[in-house]
Amino acid sequence: SYELTQPPSVSVSPGQTARITCSGDALPKKYVYWYQQKSGQAPVLVIYEDSKRPSGIPERFSGSSSGTMATLSISGAQVDDEADYYCYSTDSSGNHGGVFGTGTKVTVL
Amino acid sequence: EVQLVESGGGLVKPGGSLRLSCAASGFTFSTYSMVWVRQAPGKGLEWVSSISNAINYMYYADSVKGRFTISRDNAKNSLYLQVNSLRAEDTAVYYCARIYSSHAFDYWGQGTLVTVSS
Repeated sequence: SYELTQPPSVSVSPGQTARITCSGDALPKKYVYWYQQKSGQAPVLVIYEDSKRPSGIPERFSGSSSGTMATLSISGAQVDDEADYYCYSTDSSGNHGGVFGTGTKVTVL
Repeated sequence: EVQLVESGGGLVKPGGSLRLSCAASGFTFSTYSMVWVRQAPGKGLEWVSSISNAINYMYYADSVKGRFTISRDNAKNSLYLQVNSLRAEDTAVYYCARIYSSHAFDYWGQGTLVTVSS
């Protein structure tokens, strides 16, 4: 089955840039979506179609994708950005469902 | 304001069934595809099933295919997930979400907990 691999954790100091990677074989041909989930809360969409930001999401969140790796960047990270982040994409088999990445815990301290 | 409210979760024995519901408000429900996503305790997110707005298409994860059925009633602004033949590994919080574009899930409910245990 298709897998999206993320680092288990990323730590960053306040005001610095956090980068979270997501790797998958189908990423050259498929969009990536990024979701933020704070403790005890439902996920929130922060990036869609590789690099688009939904309304209401701060500009410090940005996304990019190149080859088999996608990256979510948080510029000027804030304590409020501490959360689990999941990438999401689909494989190239024609399966209409999707797969979430393994998740990355971002710590800002 | 867009709102999604799940209900129907609870404690059920292995092999049992439940019907999860998701009540939608604040948007034109019939024009959006919808999705169910679940999260086992302490684990990551798992896509479960999607349904198109006109009920033309329904898709399932391999892990639930043949046991779960997604449906919707556009007149009642409601999404459903019939979960049968439940297993311990189905224990999770089940979220419903609106599909904004392709796989962009832009609004989520707060989830309903399904616990499968004897």
